[in-house]
Amino acid sequence: NAGVTQTPKFQVLKTGQSMTLQCAQDMNHEYMSWYRQDPGMGLRLIHYSVGAGITDQGEVPNGYNVSRSTTEDFPLRLLSAAPSQTSVYFCASKGRYEQYFGPGTRLTVT
Amino acid sequence: QQQVKQSPQSLIVQKGGISIINCAYENTAFDYFPWYQQFPGKGPALLIAIRPDVSEKKEGRFTISFNKSAKQFSLHIMDSQPGDSATYFCAASPLTSGTYKYIFGTGTRLKVLA
Repeated sequence: NAGVTQTPKFQVLKTGQSMTLQCAQDMNHEYMSWYRQDPGMGLRLIHYSVGAGITDQGEVPNGYNVSRSTTEDFPLRLLSAAPSQTSVYFCASKGRYEQYFGPGTRLTVT
Repeated sequence: QQQVKQSPQSLIVQKGGISIINCAYENTAFDYFPWYQQFPGKGPALLIAIRPDVSEKKEGRFTISFNKSAKQFSLHIMDSQPGDSATYFCAASPLTSGTYKYIFGTGTRLKVLA
């Protein structure tokens, strides 16, 4: 039982490049979400999903896309990276009450 | 109305002392209030959580106090230890409304001096 896994752990992109952050969970949770964490701003919700095929926007969705084809996987796509997207990204999945976080991906956009 | 305000931003406590972190919210639809602990380079991990039907919940050295009328809740760490040095986030969620969203505070960096 690995919980929530994220890859890669670190990534450096140039402005304008695209990439996908991977997230997987093995707890059979319906609800999954993506957050970004920036100094002094806590965790801000980017996108979330309440089940396979169902996604919705959070607080800061611009510049990001998501899809949910299976219960286990919830990838986050950066369409055209910008320096403002430099951040630490966390994926989470939620059981009845508790939300479990992955180890994070530290992304730098130059 | 969606904000959760957390204070202080940083806190330094002597070993054995009490650490207190406060949070306030506006949205009365929030009905689940967790606290998360995060060590450097790691994801946040649930520490303790409370529902509004109780005013206090204790787990070991960690206690949540909840004041529904004031819309405030706080985390107390008794007998603080250097291993408690981490960033703590409060959060709120309107679980029974079915939206599942968590709103996080901005975090408190706690340092416990040996």
